[in-house]
Amino acid sequence: SQKIEQNSEALNIQEGKTATLTCNYTNYSPAYLQWYRQDPGRGPVFLLLIRENEKEKRKERLKVTFDTTLKQSLFHITASQPADSATYLCALDWDSGNTPLVFGKGTRLSVIA
Amino acid sequence: SQTIHQWPATLVQPVGSPLSLECTVEGTSNPNLYWYRQAAGRGLQLLFYSVGIGQISSEVPQNLSASRPQDRQFILSSKKLLLSDSGFYLCAWRGGGPNEKLFFGSGTQLSVL
Repeated sequence: SQKIEQNSEALNIQEGKTATLTCNYTNYSPAYLQWYRQDPGRGPVFLLLIRENEKEKRKERLKVTFDTTLKQSLFHITASQPADSATYLCALDWDSGNTPLVFGKGTRLSVIA
Repeated sequence: SQTIHQWPATLVQPVGSPLSLECTVEGTSNPNLYWYRQAAGRGLQLLFYSVGIGQISSEVPQNLSASRPQDRQFILSSKKLLLSDSGFYLCAWRGGGPNEKLFFGSGTQLSVL
């Protein structure tokens, strides 16, 4: 069956450390992978998109990798800050823009000062 | 610039009552439109999506329905709410091309009592 899983429901990390979140999928062949941030009581906000032929993408303190052989994406936040505390969602995407994204359940990150 | 409006922000309804949630998008034409539900502590569940006026795809059979009477208007309805319909409802849109990001509304917290 098709599955998309984010490694842990919650992750606690000390301020200043690098947070690493994992997104694994099975029986899908996405062309892209997207990451979103969701704060409590708000809608998710887009962060980064990575294509299947890209190994790595960076934006400020964020870094995303995409390994189509392992069927895995890693999302890193370097020099984490308490303001980075939120739920992070990964989503699979395809070449057809009319096919809906498939979301993971998210990982709730808490950065402790 | 594009904006998405979703209302109301909060709704408390008795079991068996009807529901109508409205979502409108401004600043774009022919968007793909989506309704998601997020139960407490759960992931995003896609309920309906639409790639054009009058075109509705249902992902989950239930007592909810959706309509798209105008290009940038998406409505979620129910004739009789169930307790299990409680949750955080999110409307979203994106363009019809590949690798486009999703833009979410601010959400409606629905409590069915």
